[in-house]
Amino acid sequence: QEQLQESGPGLVKPSETLSLTCTVSGGSISSYYWSWIRQPPGKGLEWIGFIYYSGSTSTNYNPSLKSQVTISIDTSKNQFSLNLSSVTAADTAVYYCARGSTMTWLRYWGQGTLVTVSS
Amino acid sequence: QSALTQPASVSGSPGQSITISCTGTSSDVGGYDYVSWYQQYPGKAPKLMIYDVNRRPSGVSNRFSGSKSGNTASLIISGLQAEDEADYYCSSYTSSSTLVFGGGTKLTVL
Repeated sequence: QEQLQESGPGLVKPSETLSLTCTVSGGSISSYYWSWIRQPPGKGLEWIGFIYYSGSTSTNYNPSLKSQVTISIDTSKNQFSLNLSSVTAADTAVYYCARGSTMTWLRYWGQGTLVTVSS
Repeated sequence: QSALTQPASVSGSPGQSITISCTGTSSDVGGYDYVSWYQQYPGKAPKLMIYDVNRRPSGVSNRFSGSKSGNTASLIISGLQAEDEADYYCSSYTSSSTLVFGGGTKLTVL
């Protein structure tokens, strides 16, 4: 069964860039939809965006975050990454990576990683 | 995009059936049969319970089912069990080729 694992700094300063990586094991990163989702403490889920790779790459982002977000993929390492720029305290959340066979549902999830934005 | 609307909480007794609603618009829930439902325990990652409105992934109990009418989707849990106590989130594909989640519903088993 496929496993996903998020990694990256747990603390980021305001105005800096939050960078996370999701490592996929037990399967290929090609031909699936890979998403990032976040959950502020005590609040609900928010979809950040997805990336799809099958020879070429396509992405789409939550319109409310589009100016801040970049998602990229490294097929040689079976990883995909999230960059969120100009962060504020409102970006403090548990960040999850997830996979779907289509972009309409998320079948496999990582365990999540807490990122705190604070000086 | 605006979050889908879910009740903040629902409750039921063991053995009963409960329904959690998820209301959107014609640009998301009403426009596509791409509603999914997730179960989340405290401190854990969400788990896919229903996709494409009423399809169950392998390994999910048949006590969980889904339906949709117009702009409102529903998750139905029959034969309620103590282990069903969790947060539940709906999600829908949108006309902008994005995903949008509901605000979440806390299910309490009395």
